[in-house]
Amino acid sequence: DIQMTQSPSSLSASVGDRVTITCQASEDISNYLNWYQQKAGKAPKLLIYDASNLETGVPSRFSGSGSGTDFTLSISSLQPEDIATYYCQQSVNVPLFGPGTKVDIK
Amino acid sequence: QVQLVQSGAEVKKPGASVKVSCKASGYAFTSSFIHWVRQAPGQGLEWMGIIDPSGGSTSYAQRFQARVTMTRATSTSTVYMELSSLRSEDTAVYYCCRDRDLEGVAATFDMWGQGTMVTVSS
Repeated sequence: DIQMTQSPSSLSASVGDRVTITCQASEDISNYLNWYQQKAGKAPKLLIYDASNLETGVPSRFSGSGSGTDFTLSISSLQPEDIATYYCQQSVNVPLFGPGTKVDIK
Repeated sequence: QVQLVQSGAEVKKPGASVKVSCKASGYAFTSSFIHWVRQAPGQGLEWMGIIDPSGGSTSYAQRFQARVTMTRATSTSTVYMELSSLRSEDTAVYYCCRDRDLEGVAATFDMWGQGTMVTVSS
């Protein structure tokens, strides 16, 4: 079975900082990788699909990259409303989410 | 307005069953597969299974295969997820979510219900 890992598990950054979260699959998943944002007490929200495609309505400060086994979600300029937990998810076969990365403001 | 609206919170005793509903509106109900994902308190996201609202076919995650049933009612644009033989470990928020692909299954979830809290306690 494919395993998903994320790093870091949590981070604290200042408003305006560039933030990078990484996701690694245990085997090649091509570009079948999605990113979600989940704010406290809310349902997850799709940010990026197929590794690098920005979902409609998502701010352009969010971007995704990678293929194969290594992927990155970047926030170019962290905003207070970006406080959330971010999950990667592989969609190549049985859907599986990474463990999440909690982002807060320093 | 495109949305998925789920039924309210449930409290069940161990061994009982729970049935959660998810009503779709604002789009063609039979055009997109619906998935169910759950999240235990303070934990991550876990995929449970998928249903095709058009024909009713289903596929379940192996660990839920024996206990979960997903159905749909096209007349009311509603899908249901029933989980049986509940145990304390099933305490979680259960989400329905729509598959992004209009022609098949992308396993990419572009719209989510608000979630239904299911508590299993004696």
